[in-house]
Amino acid sequence: QQQVKQSPQSLIVQKGGISIINCAYENTAFDYFPWYQQFPGKGPALLIAIRPDVSEKKEGRFTISFNKSAKQFSLHIMDSQPGDSATYFCAASFTGGNQFYFGTGTSLTVIP
Amino acid sequence: GAGVSQSPSNKVTEKGKDVELRCDPISGHTALYWYRQRLGQGLEFLIYFQGNSAPDKSGLPSDRFSAERTGESVSTLTIQRTQQEDSAVYLCASSDWGQGRRVRRNEQFFGPGTRLTVL
Repeated sequence: QQQVKQSPQSLIVQKGGISIINCAYENTAFDYFPWYQQFPGKGPALLIAIRPDVSEKKEGRFTISFNKSAKQFSLHIMDSQPGDSATYFCAASFTGGNQFYFGTGTSLTVIP
Repeated sequence: GAGVSQSPSNKVTEKGKDVELRCDPISGHTALYWYRQRLGQGLEFLIYFQGNSAPDKSGLPSDRFSAERTGESVSTLTIQRTQQEDSAVYLCASSDWGQGRRVRRNEQFFGPGTRLTVL
C-alpha cells in the first residue's frame, strides 16, 4: 500500500518555466512533509520541508504548497533551470514514528 | 565534514550468495536508516537504528535480510541467499534527529548507495 502517491512520473519543462509536482497522502497523523532531490548516481538530498501548521513555505525558487483538508502537497519550482533536472521525491512522516514514507519519484527534465 | 559513505558502490553477485553492504554515517548522528530503491521506484524503508535502542526492523522484506549497528557507528546490511528480486540500490541515511535532541528538522543525509545486481 502506497502511503504517499506522487505525480507525474516524469515532467519536461522549458527553461524559465514552472515545474509542479504533486503528492497526496491518507494518514492524517503525518506531520512532516519533506521533498528530496536526487541526481543520478547520488543519494537523495533534502530540498525543502513543511509542517501542516502552515499552507506554504518558500525557499528561493522552491515553494511547497500544503492543503491539509485535501491531504495534498505540491512542490513548485519557479524559473526552472537545466541544473534542476533530477528526480524529486516527496515524503511524509509523523512525530514518534521511525519511518519516512516516500513517493515513487518524479523525473524532471528542464530543456534549455 | 565527511558525509555518509557506503561501500561497495557496486556489487554483482550470483543468485544464492550472501552479500554484506556497509554504511559509515556522519559522526555524531544517532539515527541510521536503510532503504531499498528499485529501478524507477521510490525509497522503501528497511530498518531504523536510534542510538542503543532496539532497531525498528518492520521494513525488512524477509528473514534473509538483517542489519547490525554497533553503537552510533558503522552499520552493515546483510542479505543471505540473494535472489534476483533483491537487485536494487541500497541507500543508507543518517540523522541527528530523535532522543530529545533539539534539532530544527529531521533531515536525513543520504549516502550514494550501493547498486546490487543479482545474476
